[in-house]
Amino acid sequence: DSGVTQTPKHLITATGQRVTLRCSPRSGDLSVYWYQQSLDQGLQFLIQYYNGEERAKGNILERFSAQQFPDLHSELNLSSLELGDSALYFCASSRSDLYEQYFGPGTRLTVT
Amino acid sequence: GNSVTQMEGPVTLSEEAFLTINCTYTATGYPSLFWYVQYPGEGLQLLLKATKADDKGSNKGFEATYRKETTSFHLEKGSVQVSDSAVYFCALSDPDNDMRFGAGTRLTVKP
Repeated sequence: DSGVTQTPKHLITATGQRVTLRCSPRSGDLSVYWYQQSLDQGLQFLIQYYNGEERAKGNILERFSAQQFPDLHSELNLSSLELGDSALYFCASSRSDLYEQYFGPGTRLTVT
Repeated sequence: GNSVTQMEGPVTLSEEAFLTINCTYTATGYPSLFWYVQYPGEGLQLLLKATKADDKGSNKGFEATYRKETTSFHLEKGSVQVSDSAVYFCALSDPDNDMRFGAGTRLTVKP
């Protein structure tokens, strides 16, 4: 158990819909990262937050957004969903940029 | 920018065989290097790490040495078990850039 929790574990929704994925980092970790893992694209970094502020942006679509709240939990919002958004979404946390990341169990999103 | 290249899989070995998964990196600074493992249906777990040149990371019989001269961080294990079947990711991070992961190498160990 990494100490990072993600909810929900599974999500099935239709094209055009909007969903919110939630992540609680390990106690004491200030950085939260979001990744998308699909079969054809591997592990893609989406976005990082550090202590409530956006720190780095990767291959995140404009239809996707995220935020980190004062209690350090984070949410990833995915809107206008397309079939190609079906993937595993992982959250990870770390103490800071220099330290290893600890991954949550992931949310499997299926868009039908 | 920084990048990681690891050997393509899948890799299939018999139990007790020797494992090497190659990883090379490109970085402008002095990155830390990591190996993560993803077991079926789970998230990534840190397997080992090295933070400076010539450091050797080791865990669960796996080891990797940070080689600055060859920009490599190859993962090795002397005798694999069926339970080592998983996907292995090489990764690097440095203070100025987000963490970069390799594409992953799927290992299957047959009894």
